[in-house]
Amino acid sequence: GQQLNQSPQSMFIQEGEDVSMNCTSSSIFNTWLWYKQDPGEGPVLLIALYKAGELTSNGRLTAQFGITRKDSFLNISASIPSDVGIYFCAGQLSSGSARQLTFGSGTQLTVLP
Amino acid sequence: DTAVSQTPKYLVTQMGNDKSIKCEQNLGHDTMYWYKQDSKKFLKIMFSYNNKELIINETVPNRFSPKSPDKAHLNLHINSLELGDSAVYFCASSQDRTVTLAKNIQYFGAGTRLSVL
Repeated sequence: GQQLNQSPQSMFIQEGEDVSMNCTSSSIFNTWLWYKQDPGEGPVLLIALYKAGELTSNGRLTAQFGITRKDSFLNISASIPSDVGIYFCAGQLSSGSARQLTFGSGTQLTVLP
Repeated sequence: DTAVSQTPKYLVTQMGNDKSIKCEQNLGHDTMYWYKQDSKKFLKIMFSYNNKELIINETVPNRFSPKSPDKAHLNLHINSLELGDSAVYFCASSQDRTVTLAKNIQYFGAGTRLSVL
């Protein structure tokens, strides 16, 4: 089955710094999604990308759908303490009966004051 | 109002017991899912139901049996619990698996942390 490699596994940054994380896949996806999970909560959607090459922003977050459809990155600018959490990428196909999500292994972000 | 709600939030039980986790969504969605998140935070799909019909059944032991009494509910029953079943289980829902991708965003519940002793 498909596998997503997400990196880095963890990041420790100073408040105010920019952050970048990415996902690569062994196969193509039609949709890339980025979720954030806070402790004790479920993943919450941050950004959804539907077209190869698409660049989408949501406040301080920017994500891009790679041209090859096998990768995506997420940037967070001017990090703040509440950015702490686990960030997951997820890929989705448009074909088939399931359209299930395949998740990356997550990036644990810690923001130091 | 919580869109996707799961109960209980925590479940501690002995090996060999049978337990159920309930999930309800008030979004009017047609499709519901169960995911398992292991100790390394890896999220993996277990089941998916569309309008009470099973559409995904990943390689999950048959001790796990999902039940969907109506499209707003998808419960997970686990028989003969084992130590390896300890994990966080997430329920999710999406509008309709057959419509455009933009309407197929999955919304997650807060999770049920299952600890098998």
